[in-house]
Amino acid sequence: EVQLLESGGGLVQPGGSLRLSCAASGFTFSNYAMTWVRQAPGKGLEWVSHITGGGDRTFYADSVKGRFTISRDNSRNTMYLQMNSLRAEDTAIYYCAKDPNMGGSGATPTLDYWGQGTPVTVSS
Amino acid sequence: QSALTQPRSVSGSPGQSVAISCTGTSSDVGGYNYVSWYQQHPGTAPKLMIYDVTKRPSGVPDRFSGSKSGNTASLTISGLQAEDEADYYCCSYAASNVVLFGGGTKVTVL
Repeated sequence: EVQLLESGGGLVQPGGSLRLSCAASGFTFSNYAMTWVRQAPGKGLEWVSHITGGGDRTFYADSVKGRFTISRDNSRNTMYLQMNSLRAEDTAIYYCAKDPNMGGSGATPTLDYWGQGTPVTVSS
Repeated sequence: QSALTQPRSVSGSPGQSVAISCTGTSSDVGGYNYVSWYQQHPGTAPKLMIYDVTKRPSGVPDRFSGSKSGNTASLTISGLQAEDEADYYCCSYAASNVVLFGGGTKVTVL
């Protein structure tokens, strides 16, 4: 059974940093690209970032480019999102999600499994 | 990177059909056959309902169907049921390895 478990969320001051983790199980992690999606309180979904299975290609939304870094450790079956220079508008639940296509390369709107999310609050 | 446009809400009685539109541009919805739809109940993670415009993942009821014409994609729910009441989001590949979501549509079963 595929499982994705996010962790690392919490309260951080504006300008601060946080690192989110997404622990995966139930599939061969290194074969699949992964994505972070966020949802601000009471708002819609926003695509944040995508990483290929080997970690060699990464893509970002303009709203986080230069501040967030996506990475993965395939030996630990874990994906990360390093978030720096955090702003109030980054407050959201952050979900990790899986690309269903083995060996997928580019960013995809098709995400077949999602974690339950980890909340991030940026506030002084 | 502007969000795709969806109606804020749609409603229907049990057994009726409802359609949700998702309007983008030729650089996203109109340019690629990579449109997905997600269902989200309150407090839960999104669930994939349609991908590649018209395809249904295993386990999704066939009363859910997708289509596209020009820059507008649509999700149709036929034979509306109480458990279909949820928020629905369209999602499209856009140029340069970016993905866009719609603003979301709340479906109410009357």
